[in-house]
Parts: sequence; C-alpha cells; structure tokens
Amino acid sequence: GQNIDQPTEMTATEGAIVQINCTYQTSGFNGLFWYQQHAGEAPTFLSYNVLDGLEEKGRFSSFLSRSKGYSYLLLKELQMKDSASYLCAVIDSNYQLIWGAGTKLIIKP
Amino acid sequence: IAGITQAPTSQILAAGRRMTLRCTQDMRHNAMYWYRQDLGLGLRLIHYSNTAGTTGKGEVPDGYSVSRANTDDFPLTLASAVPSQTSVYFCASRKGQGADTQYFGPGTRLTVL
Repeated sequence: GQNIDQPTEMTATEGAIVQINCTYQTSGFNGLFWYQQHAGEAPTFLSYNVLDGLEEKGRFSSFLSRSKGYSYLLLKELQMKDSASYLCAVIDSNYQLIWGAGTKLIIKP
Repeated sequence: IAGITQAPTSQILAAGRRMTLRCTQDMRHNAMYWYRQDLGLGLRLIHYSNTAGTTGKGEVPDGYSVSRANTDDFPLTLASAVPSQTSVYFCASRKGQGADTQYFGPGTRLTVL
C-alpha cells in the first residue's frame, strides 16, 4: 500500500528553527509537495521538490532524497504566524496526490 | 480572480436528507477534486475529474456522487446523508494531471445529525 508518515505534532520556540520530516512509500514518484494549513482554513502551497536536494524559499526550505523516500521542511526564524499544520503530499505513478495526515506545529513565545 | 469558491460555507443537515455541495473555479483548470478532512486522518480523496465529462472514484467514494458537465463546476452530492459524513469538505483543482500545483477552495463544514 501507499503510505506517508509525518509526526503528529511538534512544538518550537519563536525565533528558532524547526525541521518537519516526511517519509513515504508510494507506487512511483513524480514529485513531493508541502502545504501549510492554518486552523479553519484551506491548505496553501509552500514548495515542490522533484529532484534530490534542497530548495530554499525565504525562511522556508524543503529537502528531498528520493533514494531514502524522505523529505523535510525547514522553517527558520519562527514567527507566531507559522503556527499551523504542515502537509506532505507525494505524486504517485498515476499522477494522483497521496497525502500525509499532517504535522501540527505549535510555536511558543 | 476568485480562484475556487465553495458553497455553502457550513451546513447542519438531518440524517437521510440529500445535499449538494457546490464548487466553482475560474482558472480554467482541467482537473478537479473533492476531499474530506477529518481530525487525525488528513485529506482523503472522495472523487476526482481529470477533465470535463469524466469522473473517477477516490479513496472514500461510498455515499457520494459527482458530475462534471463543464470545466468550471464540480458539485458533490450526498444522496442520503449519514452522521459519519460529518466533516470538512474541500474542493481543489489543478491545471493538468501531472505535477501541477493543486489549489484549494475555502471548504464546507458539514454536520449531519
């Protein structure tokens, strides 16, 4: 079966750095997305990785290792507004999106 | 540009009633999707449509039906609602079927009593 694993919840301090991991086992791989979802709102696009390596976009970076079936989202200089759930999703061989359950990130002052 | 709109925003429904959730996009995207999101379970695909006139079943299609008469609209119908269909429903779209980014509507919060 297809499976995506993320930690259920993480806590970090304002101004710090946090890394949210995602491991996947899917039938084929055509890319990996990270989305941010604030409570009561829709998911919004953060990043897309299809090749191995690090993609940096401001305070957010996303890393992919296809051989290890592993990705992480790195958030730097955390702000209170970063409190949200972060969803990892993989495009499988049929170009369908397979979603992880999401990681709830709590930022403390 | 509105992107994706959904209606209603929220609804309380008696069990056994029929309900249609509406979804409209103005981005001329070919592919559209319906998800439900329940606490701890993440997003689960109900039905999808890769292009107008075609539909397919997702992970949890039972009790739901969809139609795609044109590019813009993708309504989701609950023929006879049951309490287990209480959830937040998101409509989404993307330009093609490949690695294009998927965009989400604001969601409909449905409670079935």
